[in-house]
Amino acid sequence: AQSVTQLGSHVSVSEGALVLLRCNYSSSVPPYLFWYVQYPNQGLQLLLKYTSAATLVKGINGFEAEFKKSETSFHLTKPSAHMSDAAEYFCAVTERVNSGGSNYKLTFGKGTLLTVNP
Amino acid sequence: ETGVTQSPTHLIKTRGQQVTLRCSSQSGHNTVSWYQQALGQGPQFIFQYYREEENGRGNFPPRFSGLQFPNYSSELNVNALELDDSALYLCASSLREGTGELFFGEGSRLTVL
Repeated sequence: AQSVTQLGSHVSVSEGALVLLRCNYSSSVPPYLFWYVQYPNQGLQLLLKYTSAATLVKGINGFEAEFKKSETSFHLTKPSAHMSDAAEYFCAVTERVNSGGSNYKLTFGKGTLLTVNP
Repeated sequence: ETGVTQSPTHLIKTRGQQVTLRCSSQSGHNTVSWYQQALGQGPQFIFQYYREEENGRGNFPPRFSGLQFPNYSSELNVNALELDDSALYLCASSLREGTGELFFGEGSRLTVL
């Protein structure tokens, strides 16, 4: 079974500072990888996804992530934090629902709460 | 394009009761998955439905059951509610032939007293 580790349950940055949220996955086979954002009392919104194309993936709201197979990592970055970026961020990896099948489920990390200080 | 909608948004039940949560898929999507998100945790996979049949299940007991209808909408039923069932229940739709990307609804927050 897949597992996802998000280092740091809480990250605090100043407005305008670099945002770095860390994610490591367990798979030995390059999977599909995702970052989702969750604002308070809302569902999950896709930020970006890696699907075996370019290793540097650009997403919405200025976020990007780099897939590094050798490090089994998919860290999320943003050059300059904005107050509106304050939310919880989840890294997720695909896993087949059943072996031999073609349906996928997502295995999520525990999330990282990002706070942005003025 | 209509997104994923869930109802109700909030509900309170007592231990031992039963609950039904509902979900309408994003148009064009043929697969529905349900996730449980406890406070401070990431979403946990409950099960997935495709062509009205359960296609896979996470580590949840049989008192968690579901249905998918011909229009791809879905229900999650939980019997004999326990206090630990208090959580945000997220419905997500997707394409079976896709990359696993899920489109989530806003969730139904269940509180069990």
